[in-house]
Amino acid sequence: DQQVKQNSPSLSVQEGRISILNCDYTNSMFDYFLWYKKYPAEGPTFLISISSIKDKNEDGRFTVFLNKSAKHLSLHIVPSQPGDSAVYFCAASAFNSGGSNYKLTFGKGTLLTVNP
Amino acid sequence: ETGVTQTPRHLVMGMTNKKSLKCEQHLGHNAMYWYKQSAKKPLELMFVYSLEERVENNSVPSRFSPECPNSSHLFLHLHTLQPEDSALYLCASSPLFEAYGTEAFFGQGTRLTVV
Repeated sequence: DQQVKQNSPSLSVQEGRISILNCDYTNSMFDYFLWYKKYPAEGPTFLISISSIKDKNEDGRFTVFLNKSAKHLSLHIVPSQPGDSAVYFCAASAFNSGGSNYKLTFGKGTLLTVNP
Repeated sequence: ETGVTQTPRHLVMGMTNKKSLKCEQHLGHNAMYWYKQSAKKPLELMFVYSLEERVENNSVPSRFSPECPNSSHLFLHLHTLQPEDSALYLCASSPLFEAYGTEAFFGQGTRLTVV
């Protein structure tokens, strides 16, 4: 049973437009969420995170929104650039639940293609 | 460069071989992980080491055997693998004791092919 779901396997946008990547989760114990970016033949690299005490976190062109009631988060990239083309993974952890709070549960990823 | 180095980057092995994957981090982190990424599947957590002690084994077959001799090094020993074990194996590390939340830093992975 997948606890973190990225229902869109791929997304294609034009350079300069907004990219919106979506992620849903089912485990109500999750309280910390992360986005990772992965290029081919490389490991995932951390992009941005958000804790459940916030509903928005912004870092340059990247903004993550969290809707706890809907158990949904999204990553907005604006403006999108061709170099943003990669697989984006959503991940979650139950940081404040104790035990293995450092364990990340990942979604399957969404392949973003930004066309020039 | 994330500070987590994995070797080898590519490995082809027969089903009767024994090989080891190596992971090294000099970030001062105290947790290390092995993940498996198969095609069209989420990253699957295999093993977690916290302060060099294994704290989690996610029902991984015994043909995969991890070893963590110190907080900077992590190995994954492989023996009598099956073709379905072919995947990208990723090592990661993270600091355990942060104010809020931790992000894992990943290595580049070892692309394993079992023939």
